[in-house]
Amino acid sequence: DVKVTQSSRYLVKRTGEKVFLECVQDMDHENMFWYRQDPGLGLRLIYFSYDVKMKEKGDIPEGYSVSREKKERFSLILESASTNQTSMYLCASSYRRRSNQPQHFGDGTRLSIL
Amino acid sequence: AQKVTQAQTEISVVEKEDVTLDCVYETRDTTYYLFWYKQPPSGELVFLIRRNSFDEQNEISGRYSWNFQKSTSSFNFTITASQVVDSAVYFCALSEAGRGGATNKLIFGTGTLLAVQP
Repeated sequence: DVKVTQSSRYLVKRTGEKVFLECVQDMDHENMFWYRQDPGLGLRLIYFSYDVKMKEKGDIPEGYSVSREKKERFSLILESASTNQTSMYLCASSYRRRSNQPQHFGDGTRLSIL
Repeated sequence: AQKVTQAQTEISVVEKEDVTLDCVYETRDTTYYLFWYKQPPSGELVFLIRRNSFDEQNEISGRYSWNFQKSTSSFNFTITASQVVDSAVYFCALSEAGRGGATNKLIFGTGTLLAVQP
């Protein structure tokens, strides 16, 4: 079974802090994704990566950056956390070589910015 | 533009009732893929089904069935004889065929919260 692991289930940080959310997958997937989930808005794509050191902006990249130094790990960085970044963050991964394979998700990180 | 609409925000049923979750999509592409995911209270999204645009056959898996109709751009999900364990948020999603490599970006609907009462 595919396993996508997010480093924290719950996280509380203060405004202005630099925040790191970590995601690791164990299935050698090329693609990795970061989403945020908010009530009434569904899931929105922040950034994705289709290879090591490659990244592309999703629909709402402002205020975020990402890092992919190794194939299995994809980090989301909040450069200077703000209260409007309080949300549920979901990481996902999928195969690139075969078209449109399903994405596999982690358990999510519920982030609160005070 | 791509869009997925799940008009039902919340549905409440009593155990053993049948329930249908609606999904309507918009895309200009002729090749695309549709997905359903389940998100139980624990938070992880669980993949349920993928359907490509060339395959309009309905699918049944146990108590779950899916009805794909290109004529109405709909991909509805029915749970027969619902159970309390079916309580979750259900998401419909759309992905267009990859260009020069499958990045598999998904466009999600806003989700439908299904509550099954005992």
